[in-house]
Amino acid sequence: GGIITQTPKFLIGQEGQKLTLKCQQNFNHDTMYWYRQDSGKGLRLIYYSITENDLQKGDLSEGYDASREKKSSFSLTVTSAQKNEMAVFLCASSMTNSAETLYFGSGTRLTVL
Amino acid sequence: GDSVTQTEGPVTVSESESLIINCTYSATSIAYPNLFWYVRYPGEGLQLLLKVITAGQKGSSRGFEATYNKETTSFHLQKASVQESDSAVYYCALGDHNNAPRFGAGTKLSVKP
Repeated sequence: GGIITQTPKFLIGQEGQKLTLKCQQNFNHDTMYWYRQDSGKGLRLIYYSITENDLQKGDLSEGYDASREKKSSFSLTVTSAQKNEMAVFLCASSMTNSAETLYFGSGTRLTVL
Repeated sequence: GDSVTQTEGPVTVSESESLIINCTYSATSIAYPNLFWYVRYPGEGLQLLLKVITAGQKGSSRGFEATYNKETTSFHLQKASVQESDSAVYYCALGDHNNAPRFGAGTKLSVKP
């Protein structure tokens, strides 16, 4: 089996700050995803990547950048944190394409003061 | 674009009662997407509960069942007799080769002993 590791688990930032979330997977999966989860809402796609150096925007990409420099890692940057923002960011991967089962990390909880 | 709608939570049932969580989908880019139920148990990460990739087929896991109904575009999750350990948040999801998976808003289930 494999594992998806997200760091940090908790992230506290200041308004206007640039913040980076990291995700590593050892499944050797091709496709990786970033979702945002707000209380009472479903998972909303921010970015996904079907291979190294590929990026595909999701519904919520504005305000975020992503980077897939290696097959095993996918990072997400909040370009300017919004005051009082609170959300959980979930990283996931799937073996080859987006029709397959997703495997999730445990999440990064963001709080912006 | 694709979308998923599921029973709004929270849902509370008593142990040994039956359960149904409704899920309907809309797939615009592909006729027969893959359908999934994911679950997050307290203190754990989001994980696959069951999936069905063929219209008309039924998937099952941990006593839960869901049938892929292409006529009604539904994938309702059912269990004949719930247990307290089934308390969790359940997400219906749709996946296809052309787009990243779409998730419903999640249904929080509480089972009373």
